[in-house]
Amino acid sequence: GAGVSQSPSNKVTEKGKDVELRCDPISGHTALYWYRQRLGQGLEFLIYFQGNSAPDKSGLPSDRFSAERTGESVSTLTIQRTQQEDSAVYLCASSLTRTSGGGAQYFGPGTRLLVL
Amino acid sequence: AQSVTQPDIHITVSEGASLELRCNYSYGATPYLFWYVQSPGQGLQLLLKYFSGDTLVQGIKGFEAEFKRSQSSFNLRKPSVHWSDAAEYFCAVGARNNAGNMLTFGGGTRLMVKP
Repeated sequence: GAGVSQSPSNKVTEKGKDVELRCDPISGHTALYWYRQRLGQGLEFLIYFQGNSAPDKSGLPSDRFSAERTGESVSTLTIQRTQQEDSAVYLCASSLTRTSGGGAQYFGPGTRLLVL
Repeated sequence: AQSVTQPDIHITVSEGASLELRCNYSYGATPYLFWYVQSPGQGLQLLLKYFSGDTLVQGIKGFEAEFKRSQSSFNLRKPSVHWSDAAEYFCAVGARNNAGNMLTFGGGTRLMVKP
């Protein structure tokens, strides 16, 4: 596709349920990033993939959060046993490589997660 | 670790007036610098980026930004604001030696445009 796509666009879940968020990066982009944006705040880095490996998981807020990427393409962010503080917009970005051109990142529209 | 400060949480300008959004960063060397815009309900769109060379960079939609090393700043400017520029603007820093190249974002500045 022309840009980064994410699904679902909105997700409402009950506290304690697991959720999966999906990201399709721009074709050919080897680097993929997940960020979280809480209401009225800036973006927090969660995790980064180079190819299918995740050398930097430093931003994951707890062990309830995990992510994987397959085929150097689609990535899934999974939140287990969701809590109300997980409510946020989850943004995915991709870049051509991790270093080329300073790694300008192109963002998807985000998934708005609400945990009741 | 790098950090980014956007001192103005909200700014209101009249349509046709000039605009400057402030961004200050903290980093031990010359960083990569970015400005993104986020319109309501939409993702972030890259406005412009600075990597090296000319410290005045031009972006899309008539925006420009100037990297000032001595002030650790990367302020965004536009000579004449349009109503469609109303949005939230984020400044971001990427570390040159960061293997992951993850971005550190400021808290954002919400721009409102008066008719």
